[in-house]
Amino acid sequence: GDSVTQMEGPVTLSEEAFLTINCTYTATGYPSLFWYVQYPGEGLQLLLKATKADDKGSNKGFEATYRKETTSFHLEKGSVQVSDSAVYFCALFRFQGAQKLVFGQGTRLTINP
Amino acid sequence: SQTIHQWPATLVQPVGSPLSLECTVEGTSNPNLYWYRQAAGRGLQLLFYSVGIGQISSEVPQNLSASRPQDRQFILSSKKLLLSDSGFYLCAWSRTGYGYTFGSGTRLTVV
Repeated sequence: GDSVTQMEGPVTLSEEAFLTINCTYTATGYPSLFWYVQYPGEGLQLLLKATKADDKGSNKGFEATYRKETTSFHLEKGSVQVSDSAVYFCALFRFQGAQKLVFGQGTRLTINP
Repeated sequence: SQTIHQWPATLVQPVGSPLSLECTVEGTSNPNLYWYRQAAGRGLQLLFYSVGIGQISSEVPQNLSASRPQDRQFILSSKKLLLSDSGFYLCAWSRTGYGYTFGSGTRLTVV
C-alpha cells in the first residue's frame, strides 16, 4: 500500500540556517504530495503542495519539488527563523475513492536564536 | 465558505469512562470525513473515514468507534477509555476540488 517516510527527528538548527527535511513515498500511479505544519498546541495547516511530477510547491519561504524519478518531496528553506519551530508532516493523497491522506511520521524542528 | 468545528479542545477523562468527540462541517455537502489520532511523539494515524451517512470504515482495530448520523456530523466514541487512548484527535474533511481541511483538534488525556 501507499506509504510515506520522513527523516528522523528531532532536528535542531540555528536561526538563518538552511533546512532540508527529507521525504520519500511509495505509491502506485500519481498521487498528490503535501507538506503540513503543526505549531505547538495547534492543529494541522497546509504548508504547500504539488499535484504532478516536477511541480514545485512553495509558501512562506519553504519549497518542495515533486520528483517522481526518486519518489521524493524534500522540504527546504534557505534561512529558517525561530517562528518555524514546529512539527512538519509529509503526506500523499489520492483523488479517488475515500481520498485518504497518508502521513509520514512527522519531523520536529526546533530553531534556536 | 467551508468551516470545520471540533470540540472539546481539551478533555481529561478517567480510565473506563465513555468518550464522545464531535466534529461538524459547514458550507459543503456530502464531504468525506476522517478521524486521525496523533499519539505522543508519534505521527498521524487514520482511525476512521466516512464517504456518506452511515458509512464508516475502520483503519485500525481499537477501542474506539465512529458514527455519522448526519451528512456533516462525525462522532468518535468509546464505551470505556484506556490509558492508551490518550492523544491528539483530529477531524478532517475532503471533497473533490476542495482538498483536505483539518479541525483544530482535541487533546485527550486519560488518567
